[in-house]
Amino acid sequence: GAVVSQHPSRVICKSGTSVKIECRSLDFQATTMFWYRQFPKQSLMLMATSNEGSKATYEQGVEKDKFLINHASLTLSTLTVTSAHPEDSSFYICSARDRGPGVTYGYTFGSGTRLTVV
Amino acid sequence: AQTVTQSQPEMSVQEAETVTLSCTYDTSESNYYLFWYKQPPSRQMILVIRQEAYKQQNATENRFSVNFQKAAKSFSLKISDSQLGDTAMYFCAPPKIQGAQKLVFGQGTRLTINP
Repeated sequence: GAVVSQHPSRVICKSGTSVKIECRSLDFQATTMFWYRQFPKQSLMLMATSNEGSKATYEQGVEKDKFLINHASLTLSTLTVTSAHPEDSSFYICSARDRGPGVTYGYTFGSGTRLTVV
Repeated sequence: AQTVTQSQPEMSVQEAETVTLSCTYDTSESNYYLFWYKQPPSRQMILVIRQEAYKQQNATENRFSVNFQKAAKSFSLKISDSQLGDTAMYFCAPPKIQGAQKLVFGQGTRLTINP
């Protein structure tokens, strides 16, 4: 089945530094990937849609200069949290659309990244 | 705009019991897919079941089945013979069929299976 690899699983960084999170589709090509943020005991909040070879589409209220998304290849999307601050601490999850049997689409998720900014 | 509502923030049942999680949604699309995902304590999102809106037959995956009422825009998840490993957050998600088809989620239902 489709697998999405997300790294790192945990990262601690100092306030003011930048952190990059990678999301790779291992056995399929993902023209579209999605980035989510999840606060404790809450649902996933969609941040942006990452499109291969073009600019990401951000959801309302998400700072595009704070959360830089790059989707340079069909198997890799990255999320860079720039000038991170403690309020950016959260659980970040990526997802990729994969083509299932026939024309049925599915969504496969990475295992998530817990970011702690100190 | 698509919206989903999961009206049960938390549920708790005994092992082997049957439990139904509710989900209602709003969409202007006529053809679409509906999903239920679970998120166990590991926080890995796992697809539980998928329903195609144009199919009248309710989807079934082993102990998991749905009650899909298209006119009512209702998509409930039934878990039969519940097991301890079913303890998780369950999210309902209705995607669109066109364009980027971004996947958004309801508020989730925290299900606890007690021994």
